Amino acid sequence: DTAVSQTPKYLVTQMGNDKSIKCEQNLGHDTMYWYKQDSKKFLKIMFSYNNKELIINETVPNRFSPKSPDKAHLNLHINSLELGDSAVYFCASSHRQDTTDTQYFGPGTRLTVL
Amino acid sequence: QKEVEQDPGPLSVPEGAIVSLNCTYSNSAFQYFMWYRQYSRKGPELLMYTYSSGNKEDGRFTAQVDKSSKYISLFIRDSQPSDSATYLCAMSVAGNQFYFGTGTSLTVIP
Repeated sequence: DTAVSQTPKYLVTQMGNDKSIKCEQNLGHDTMYWYKQDSKKFLKIMFSYNNKELIINETVPNRFSPKSPDKAHLNLHINSLELGDSAVYFCASSHRQDTTDTQYFGPGTRLTVL
Repeated sequence: QKEVEQDPGPLSVPEGAIVSLNCTYSNSAFQYFMWYRQYSRKGPELLMYTYSSGNKEDGRFTAQVDKSSKYISLFIRDSQPSDSATYLCAMSVAGNQFYFGTGTSLTVIP
């Protein structure tokens, strides 16, 4: 069984479009995250959600909006896509936010903005 | 200055060699230190986790933390071609927000 899954795996779209990436975890974890990994492999946290509450919101453009319909899902919606948004986006989850519980990553969504 | 610095490599070693991967950091409040392995076009997977200073060994992998020098290391003994991947260090103050290094690309040549 896949622990953390993301869809789609690949996403190619035009500048200016709006797109969503979905993430689901079946680990029963309380906290979920979105990371962006650029072409140089630098992994940077974008958001995390704990029990449906946004608890970390790094300095990302407000075109990016995380949406969590329930504890097992954290979707990422991106408005007005820009060329610089091209990257691999990883979803991750951990048991709790304030412990040392490790994060489990999904396979990533490779976004290409043309 | 980035919170975490890691040499991106690439690093290429023959099979059976001992590999040393390192990260330095600037925030003395970091207490939790992790190493992730990321295969090409896959998500990172946790390899080793240590708390505070000291060593931790797991099979062919040894993680070391030197908080006085703000320096962490991952050693891989008897390296195998299957170890070829990008290795990311990560650290955290309180186990919540994680700061990642840029990753070191390792190739083990048969």
